[in-house]
Amino acid sequence: GDSVTQMEGPVTLSEEACLTINCTYTATGYPSLFWYVQYPGEGLQLLLKATKADDKGSNKGFEATYRKETTSFHLEKGSVQVSDSAVYFCAPAGGYQKVTFGTGTKLQVIP
Amino acid sequence: KAGVTQTPRYLIKTRGQQVTLSCSPISGHRSVSWYQQTPGQGLQFLFEYFSETQRNKGNFPGRFSGRQFSNSRSEMNVSTLELGDSALYLCASKGRDSGPTGELFFGEGSRLTVL
Repeated sequence: GDSVTQMEGPVTLSEEACLTINCTYTATGYPSLFWYVQYPGEGLQLLLKATKADDKGSNKGFEATYRKETTSFHLEKGSVQVSDSAVYFCAPAGGYQKVTFGTGTKLQVIP
Repeated sequence: KAGVTQTPRYLIKTRGQQVTLSCSPISGHRSVSWYQQTPGQGLQFLFEYFSETQRNKGNFPGRFSGRQFSNSRSEMNVSTLELGDSALYLCASKGRDSGPTGELFFGEGSRLTVL
């Protein structure tokens, strides 16, 4: 079945630092790839997505590029803010329309 | 447009009891998925319903079951509760584009504590 390997957290960064959260996946066919974010006390919400190879998803300063050759979808942001503190989930959606979530990476940004 | 609504938000049960959780999807959404979130395991897929039919199922024991009604509202039931069932149960709905590219819209979850 599909699987996701996501870098373990927690990740602690100072405000304005660069962020990279690694994500690699295994899936049948050509899955769509998503990053979801969960702020404290809330459910998950979509951050960005990419539906085919070499697509770049972006939102709120975050970016991720669909790399088919390395089966990766790393999340990046050039300058993080305290408000970015949350848990981030990588999620491929492949066969049978089932979405598989990674274990989540907790990001803490300190002023 | 109202979001995904889950009830109850918090509940405490004892071992051996059963529990029913409810999820009302966004109006017009016909796909409803359930996930179990725990600190150690992350999000694990329970099942997905579409137009009252179970379309996908995760690797959970038969104590976990669900159903969907004609108005797309969904319930999940856990029987003979165990301590390890303590978790945040998240429901997510998906809209017209219910294929792999569609976005999941999550509720805030039902936090179950089993004593």
